[in-house]
Amino acid sequence: SYVLTQPPSLSMAPGQTAMITCGGNNIAVKTVHWYQQKPGQAPVLVVHDDSDRPSGIPERFSGSNSGDTATLTISRVEAGDEADYYCQVWDSSRDHWVFGGGTKVTVL
Amino acid sequence: EVQLVESGGGLVQPGGSLRLSCAAAGFAFSNYEMNWVRQAPGKGLEWVSYISSSGSTIFYADSVKGRFTISRDAAKNSLFLLMNSLRDEDTAVYYCARTTGYSFDQKKNDFWGQGTLVSVSS
Repeated sequence: SYVLTQPPSLSMAPGQTAMITCGGNNIAVKTVHWYQQKPGQAPVLVVHDDSDRPSGIPERFSGSNSGDTATLTISRVEAGDEADYYCQVWDSSRDHWVFGGGTKVTVL
Repeated sequence: EVQLVESGGGLVQPGGSLRLSCAAAGFAFSNYEMNWVRQAPGKGLEWVSYISSSGSTIFYADSVKGRFTISRDAAKNSLFLLMNSLRDEDTAVYYCARTTGYSFDQKKNDFWGQGTLVSVSS
């Protein structure tokens, strides 16, 4: 089965740039979607199709996908960006969706 | 405004059954594919099941295949998940999510409900 690997946690100061990685075998040939989940809330789609933003999502959120790593980048991190972030892809070999394990972002 | 409201969760004994519902509003429900996604306490997201807009295509995660059944009722603008033979490891918050995208690779969950908690315990 296809496995997505994310770092469990990241910490940074306000104003810095957060780069959340999602590793998978040749993930570049897949389409990656990213979700933000704040404590006690439902997930929210923040980046889709590798690098597109849904309406209402700040331009500070961007995505890229190359080689074996997809990356969600949050520029000028704010306290309100504290959340868990999950990547997701479609595993066509099993007709399954797969989520990464999630990365907890803490703003110091 | 898109709204998805789950219901039907609760405490059930191992081996028992529950039927979850997801009431949709604010969009043309019959035109959209839907997913169920769950989250065990303190854990990450796990995809559970998918149903196409017509109901003709259905997928299940290996962990629930043969025990869970997804369905939808266009007249009631509702999505369902019938869960049988429940196990301790099925304990989770269950979210319904609207799914969009042309190819399966592009499908993503653009709106989520607030979830309903299922607790399996004796």
